[in-house]
Formats: sequence, structure tokens, C-alpha cells
Amino acid sequence: AQSVTQLDSHVSVSEGTPVLLRCNYSSSYSPSLFWYVQHPNKGLQLLLKYTSAATLVKGINGFEAEFKKSETSFHLTKPSAHMSDAAEYFCVVSNDYKLSFGAGTTVTVRA
Amino acid sequence: GAGVSQSPSNKVTEKGKDVELRCDPISGHTALYWYRQSLGQGLEFLIYFQGNSAPDKSGLPSDRFSAERTGGSVSTLTIQRTQQEDSAVYLCASGAGTSGSATQYFGPGTRLLVL
Repeated sequence: AQSVTQLDSHVSVSEGTPVLLRCNYSSSYSPSLFWYVQHPNKGLQLLLKYTSAATLVKGINGFEAEFKKSETSFHLTKPSAHMSDAAEYFCVVSNDYKLSFGAGTTVTVRA
Repeated sequence: GAGVSQSPSNKVTEKGKDVELRCDPISGHTALYWYRQSLGQGLEFLIYFQGNSAPDKSGLPSDRFSAERTGGSVSTLTIQRTQQEDSAVYLCASGAGTSGSATQYFGPGTRLLVL
């Protein structure tokens, strides 16, 4: 069994300040973990993925995430938020072909 | 290159009607997936195809839902006798493999509204 808990349903940041989106996972096996972003009325876009290589994963648009097995966490960060980062973010776990999605975190960026 | 495409982008139908949703995967991708995104349930897995076969249909909500894939390419999700609770965004994804680490590439979705 696998599942994901996104600890914040909504995060609001000022432009230029850091962003932190928290994710905890549960998996019976060594999982693959992903972060996807969904802009309004758009499909899901892959930001980054972890597949048991380096624990610090760099993605697109300045995002990165760190896999911490001892904490079963896979938090997403960005040093400086941009207005275009306003979107919904999904943490995803997978042991096989089936993706299990978190409930999502909506990010608002204030000018 | 071309990504995953879905049609129609929006569909409004009356309760009791049948609807067909289409997905064109990325060329060469052998795996194809359908998910549903709704306000109450979040993102849910429906079905996946490896080639033209569907090894896992466990996510289909009822026997009113069916899907097929032909030629290892285009897939159609059919909902018969639609109900209001079927209103959701239906997302299709494709991938080059089916391992847990394989990336799934998503289309823009079909927004279905059942009146």
C-alpha cells in the first residue's frame, strides 16, 4: 500500500521569498516520488522525481526536493518565489504503474 | 514535440446520455493511463493500458465506465448513462514504461459536466 499526505492545503508567500511545500509518504517498498504542478485549467506538469539515486533532486524552474527516508518526507522548496509559481502542487508516490496523489497544495504568490 | 492530447476539452451532457472521451498519447509510448480529478475525491487512478491490453481496471467506478485502446495508440474512455457524480476532469497520461520510476506525461484533460 502507498499513500501521500500533503501537510498544507494552502501556502501563501510574497514574491521573492522562499517556498516550502511539505509532503510525507507511506510505502511498503522503496518508492519513486514525484512533484507535479497544475496551473489553472491546465494539465499536470512534472517538476521533478526521485528514483533512489541522489536524495537531493533538482527540478525545473528552480525547484528542488529532498528525500529523507528516516522522516518519510519529500518536501519541495524554491529559494525565491515568482508570480508564475502560483498554482496547485501535487506530491505523488509510486511503487509500480499506479500513481497515488496527495490532496494538493495551492500556492498563492503576493506581489 | 507533441505531447498528450485529449478531446474534447470540455463536454456538457445531460444525465443519462453516453459520452466518449479521447486520448492521443505521445508517439511511441506503450503505457497509457486514465485518471479522474474531482473536487471531493482528488486525483484517482481509473485504468491503465500496456499496448492494447488493460491489466488493471480496478479504478473504474462502475460498469458504466469502459475504455479501449486500439493500435497501441489512441484510447477512448466511455461513460454510459452518465450521472451527475460523473462530473469531473478526466486526465490521460502516457509513458514509455510501467515501472514505478517511469514518468507519466499528462494531457490537458477533458472537463465533463453532467446536468
